[in-house]
Amino acid sequence: KAGVTQTPRYLIKTRGQQVTLSCSPISGHRSVSWYQQTPGQGLQFLFEYFSETQRNKGNFPGRFSGRQFSNSRSEMNVSTLELGDSALYLCASSLGSLVNYGYTFGSGTRLTVV
Amino acid sequence: DAKTTQPPSMDCAEGRAANLPCNHSTISGNEYVYWYRQIHSQGPQYIIHGLKNNETNEMASLIITEDRKSSTLILPHATLRDTAVYYCIARTNNAGNMLTFGGGTRLMVKP
Repeated sequence: KAGVTQTPRYLIKTRGQQVTLSCSPISGHRSVSWYQQTPGQGLQFLFEYFSETQRNKGNFPGRFSGRQFSNSRSEMNVSTLELGDSALYLCASSLGSLVNYGYTFGSGTRLTVV
Repeated sequence: DAKTTQPPSMDCAEGRAANLPCNHSTISGNEYVYWYRQIHSQGPQYIIHGLKNNETNEMASLIITEDRKSSTLILPHATLRDTAVYYCIARTNNAGNMLTFGGGTRLMVKP
């Protein structure tokens, strides 16, 4: 079956702009989580959506937001981009709770802010 | 989630067993030990998880000490494709669908 699909794979934006990243989960998965990976901070949890509701949120400023649609697809938005937002953004989808180990990551979107 | 400590890097010869240690001395009774790995430029991949007993699947074996303060991930016959960063994570079942990643161990499998 198809895995987690993230689009676009690569993106270059200018400081001050905003960006929207997309994540299509595995068919049937209702939970989508987002992570940011940078060389300095490593992998950090951004937020999780389940059935269109944000269920958990990491320690990121309000410039980072997300949403989930009725088909479980999710988008995350970063407004007023800063150079430090350059990172690999990963999403993961899951059927239910993590202990079911169906937690599957996509290949990510690499965002470069110039 | 309990703090985990892993060596920053390890080498392993191709075809040999790779034994990756993880210390989680403050783990609580309801926290599982999860292992993920991340191959360069890809998303993390689930490997295995366990609570108390040793576990084995088609990818690896997980050995958890009796006091649960440490564990070892074993790749029985490492290949070049196993070169990756390996993350050990301790967490409860009801912590939501989120993982707290540490620095991990960068495993280099050499021919």
